Amino acid sequence: DAGVTQSPTHLIKTRGQQVTLRCSPKSGHDTVSWYQQALGQGPQFIFQYYEEEERQRGNFPDRFSGHQFPNYSSELNVNALLLGDSALYLCASSWGGGQGGTDTQYFGPGTRLTVL
Amino acid sequence: QKEVEQDPGPLSVPEGAIVSLNCTYSNSAFQYFMWYRQYSRKGPELLMYTYSSGNKEDGRFTAQVDKSSKYISLFIRDSQPSDSATYLCAMSAWSGNTPLVFGKGTRLSVIA
Repeated sequence: DAGVTQSPTHLIKTRGQQVTLRCSPKSGHDTVSWYQQALGQGPQFIFQYYEEEERQRGNFPDRFSGHQFPNYSSELNVNALLLGDSALYLCASSWGGGQGGTDTQYFGPGTRLTVL
Repeated sequence: QKEVEQDPGPLSVPEGAIVSLNCTYSNSAFQYFMWYRQYSRKGPELLMYTYSSGNKEDGRFTAQVDKSSKYISLFIRDSQPSDSATYLCAMSAWSGNTPLVFGKGTRLSVIA
């Protein structure tokens, strides 16, 4: 059973460019959340997708957008990249109907984005 | 004041020691508490999940939650060099499926 997968592993962009990151959830999961982890910090919640809709959003500008496809995979798009967007971007999947321990989020390996 | 406070360390202990990792939080609505382990340049791996107050044990790991003090702990018994990693506490208000608020992580080194 494959866990959460993310692509690409690493990405280097320049300021002002746009980037798209991809995530495939763990088998059986229907909810995808995206987090940004700056160096030496804990992950920060960007947004969550469920049933192809953005369900919740953290304190991130609308340069950050996303999408969820019918197969539950997801994309994170970042426009007009800034130096401060350099970070590890983590995707986490979970089962929306779970509770009491079955609703936990499982993380992928992340995509390391460097903005020059 | 940040919602979740965690001492970033680094913490260095000899092999076989008991390790205590802690987080404090300010939001009394948090009910779901998790500990993740993150190796360098990898994604976080779920170690423990606890709902509300109390203790939970899994092998060498014990998680404790004291909601009255807004304080959670992770204990690692008989620590091994393979336990060397960053440990992140995370919590949420409604369920484990909802946005998690993380601490900064504590970097642990277990020396053989």
